[in-house]
Amino acid sequence: GAVVSQHPSRVICKSGTSVKIECRSLDFQATTMFWYRQFPKQSLMLMATSNEGSKATYEQGVEKDKFLINHASLTLSTLTVTSAHPEDSSFYICSARERGADRDRRKLFFGSGTQLSVL
Amino acid sequence: QKEVEQDPGPLSVPEGAIVSLNCTYSNSAFQYFMWYRQYSRKGPELLMYTYSSGNKEDGRFTAQVDKSSKYISLFIRDSQPSDSATYLCAMSVRDRGSTLGRLYFGRGTQLTVWP
Repeated sequence: GAVVSQHPSRVICKSGTSVKIECRSLDFQATTMFWYRQFPKQSLMLMATSNEGSKATYEQGVEKDKFLINHASLTLSTLTVTSAHPEDSSFYICSARERGADRDRRKLFFGSGTQLSVL
Repeated sequence: QKEVEQDPGPLSVPEGAIVSLNCTYSNSAFQYFMWYRQYSRKGPELLMYTYSSGNKEDGRFTAQVDKSSKYISLFIRDSQPSDSATYLCAMSVRDRGSTLGRLYFGRGTQLTVWP
C-alpha cells in the first residue's frame, strides 16, 4: 500500500521555540494533505487542508499564524508550530489524498504521527 | 453535539469473543463510512470502507451502516490478541470541492483482547 512518511515521530521542545513536522508521500503524488491533531482519548480533529501550490484552508479556531502549512510539491507538506506553548502539546497526524483518487476515500493515507511535547 | 459519537471504552474481551463497536452520527449528509485501526502513537490504518447503507464483510470483520438510524457498527469475529488497538469510526460527506477527502472521526474505542 501507499506509504506516508512523517517525521519526526517525537519531539520535545522548550516553550517559545518553533517546530517543523514533515509529511512525505513516498510512492504516490498527493494533491491534498490534511493535518489533524489528536489530544489524549480524543478524536482526530482536522486543523487544515492544503492543496499543492495553494494556501492552506484552516478550520475554525485554528490560528493560521501559529500553524504554518506549506505544500510546495506533490510529495511534501510541512506543518510548523511557531512559538510553541505547552497547550500545543499533542499528537499531530497528516493524511495524504492520492492524485487521481476522485471520490475513493480508500485513497487517503495517514502518516505515523508526531508526538509534540512542549515544556 | 459532536457530529460523530463513539463510546471510548475501554472494552476488554477474551480471545475468541465477538466484538461489537458502534458509532452514531447527526449529519445526514454523511455518505461514506470507514473504520480505522490505530495502535498506540501510530497513524490510523483503514480497515473497512462502506458507501451508503448496508453490510460489508472482510474476513473476520463486518461493517454495518444504518442510515435511517444514523448508526454504524463494526463486528470482529473470533477476536485475537493482535486485534488489541483503538478503533476509530470516520465519516465523510459527498464530494464538494473544498471538503473532498475530509473525514470526521469518532473518539475511538480502545479494545483489549486477552488470551
